[in-house]
Amino acid sequence: DTEVTQTPKHLVMGMTNKKSLKCEQHMGHRAMYWYKQKAKKPPELMFVYSYEKLSINESVPSRFSPECPNSSLLNLHLHALQPEDSALYLCASSQEPTSGLVLYEQFFGPGTRLTVL
Amino acid sequence: KQEVTQIPAALSVPEGENLVLNCSFTDSAIYNLQWFRQDPGKGLTSLLLIQSSQREQTSGRLNASLDKSSGRSTLYIAASQPGDSATYLCAVTFGNEKLTFGTGTRLTIIP
Repeated sequence: DTEVTQTPKHLVMGMTNKKSLKCEQHMGHRAMYWYKQKAKKPPELMFVYSYEKLSINESVPSRFSPECPNSSLLNLHLHALQPEDSALYLCASSQEPTSGLVLYEQFFGPGTRLTVL
Repeated sequence: KQEVTQIPAALSVPEGENLVLNCSFTDSAIYNLQWFRQDPGKGLTSLLLIQSSQREQTSGRLNASLDKSSGRSTLYIAASQPGDSATYLCAVTFGNEKLTFGTGTRLTIIP
C-alpha cells in the first residue's frame, strides 16, 4: 500500500473554531511532514516528524499545532485561524527521517482544502 | 540562498510531441532531486527521484537527468498525451535536509 490518506478533503471553519486535519500512512515510514500550499505557489514546509518526534518546525504560528500519536498518524490541530490561512494542506511521508546522508522519496496525500471565513 | 527555479512557468505542446521541462538550482551540494506532478486542487504525485550520485532515472515515458555541476535537471516526456497535462514541480533536498520546491511548470497537451 503506497498511499497517504488525508481527512477531511474539504474544511470550512470560522476564526473561532477548533478543528483537526488527519493524515495516515501504512507504508512503515518513520518520517511525516505537513506542508501548506497557496494557490499557484509551491508547497511550503511547516513541520517534520521523525520517529514520532518533532524534528523541524519552520516557525509556524502557534495557532497550528501538530501531533504525531504514532508512526502511522499525523494530526494538525487548528485554532483561531485567520482568513490568510486558507490553503491546501498536504501531508507527506518518507521511509526514513530527513537527517542522514541517504534521503528517501516523499509520498504525498491528496490534501485538505481549508477555507477560513 | 538555496533556490530552485523552473522556466517556463507554462508550456503548451501538441499531442504526440516529445518535450523537456527544466529545473535549475543554486547550490550543487544536493542530496537528491525529486520530480512531482500536481493536478489542479490535488496532492502531489511523485514521478522520479534522483540521488546525488546518479545522472538519470527513467520510468515509462519519463526520463529525468541530473547535472549537479551546472545546477540543472531536466524531465523528458516522450510521446505526450492529454493526460500529461498538469503542473510539474521539481524539488531539491539541499544540505538543510528539507525539500525546496520550484514554482512549477504548468503543462498543457493540446489534442
